[in-house]
Amino acid sequence: DTAVSQTPKYLVTQMGNDKSIKCEQNLGHDTMYWYKQDSKKFLKIMFSYNNKELIINETVPNRFSPKSPDKAHLNLHINSLELGDSAVYFCASSRRTSGNTGELFFGEGSRLTVL
Amino acid sequence: GESVGLHLPTLSVQEGDNSIINCAYSNSASDYFIWYKQESGKGPQFIIDIRSNMDKRQGQRVTVLLNKTVKHLSLQIAATQPGDSAVYFCAVYNNNDMRFGAGTRLTVKP
Repeated sequence: DTAVSQTPKYLVTQMGNDKSIKCEQNLGHDTMYWYKQDSKKFLKIMFSYNNKELIINETVPNRFSPKSPDKAHLNLHINSLELGDSAVYFCASSRRTSGNTGELFFGEGSRLTVL
Repeated sequence: GESVGLHLPTLSVQEGDNSIINCAYSNSASDYFIWYKQESGKGPQFIIDIRSNMDKRQGQRVTVLLNKTVKHLSLQIAATQPGDSAVYFCAVYNNNDMRFGAGTRLTVKP
């Protein structure tokens, strides 16, 4: 009964390919996120969805397209993969509260390696 | 925009000693701060949080201190144990937007 689960955990692919990472949360949260963590461990927010609606879209190349079919899922599709896309991608979820608080629950990460 | 930074990228302590990890933030309007711990091969996990109307908050072996005057946040870990070895992040949360600092790697020597 994993709270936030991502698949695949590891992904090795060639430059130029298209790939997807899936994320599901069973916590009943209404907000989901994608973060990118580089080799220096820096965590950068990419997207945030609340109730299936995009609310944060950082300066991310439009090769990255998130899709949220329902509140429990947030998938990340990446077109025309580049070497610089190699990183660990983390999905997270939180419950939006009125007090502007929100502990994030993270998945285990998906390590993408582009060759 | 918000920027969150850490003073030290690495910290090495002896088992049993206390650890202090520091963080600076830039937006004086920020009002909710969180510390996360990331173990190798895992996602970050919540440790403790603090709101801007507080200066100090204590958990089990951890204490977070907030100095709004200088926009500084610290995490203190008492009696550091080998299991505390991880990367620690401070983060600032505003309206479904969680921004992380650069991370500090804590290594505990036996």
